[in-house]
Amino acid sequence: DAKTTQPPSMDCAEGRAANLPCNHSTISGNEYVYWYRQIHSQGPQYIIHGLKNNETNEMASLIITEDRKSSTLILPHATLRDTAVYYCIVRARRGHNFNKFYFGSGTKLNVKP
Amino acid sequence: DAMVIQNPRYQVTQFGKPVTLSCSQTLNHNVMYWYQQKSSQAPKLLFHYYDKDFNNEADTPDNFQSRRPNTSFCFLDIRSPGLGDAAMYLCASQAGVETDTQYFGPGTRLTVL
Repeated sequence: DAKTTQPPSMDCAEGRAANLPCNHSTISGNEYVYWYRQIHSQGPQYIIHGLKNNETNEMASLIITEDRKSSTLILPHATLRDTAVYYCIVRARRGHNFNKFYFGSGTKLNVKP
Repeated sequence: DAMVIQNPRYQVTQFGKPVTLSCSQTLNHNVMYWYQQKSSQAPKLLFHYYDKDFNNEADTPDNFQSRRPNTSFCFLDIRSPGLGDAAMYLCASQAGVETDTQYFGPGTRLTVL
């Protein structure tokens, strides 16, 4: 499985865009990039996922580089409720590890007033 | 929305006393997962079921076992809890092999005295 690397923490001002980077330089062709977040003392919550195209939903946008070795999660207008640990996960869709999530260390996003 | 329910939210047990954690899901999902999350760490996959097929991670201690008596319910049994087993235990479910999203429950916080 590809390993993901994320900065341990980031700060963002309320109302501004939060851009969370993730490095997955060893990703293989059949692996998707997923983003989850975990608010303190809660279970992880799905945000978005993608293979190679940029994706957008009501929560966030996912930008994946052309070589797929890195991605960025964008929260367009961060609020205090977005304070959480954000996990970038590379997930195999084939092979003996298919569909398993192996979490990296995550980024603690602190949204400040 | 998918509902993954974990009971209890907080569980206290004594060193060496067997304990069972419970998880249920309401959407007839085929796949269920158990993760262990220690303080300030990322969730770590313990095992998963695809229908009745049990899949153990190679580094999951023998002290941890699981049962899935039917589609809706999945149990985590810790035969002889040690102090190092104190953690948040997360359950997740997923509709099937080719679907994308794992839905997580709120977790059970286990304390070992």
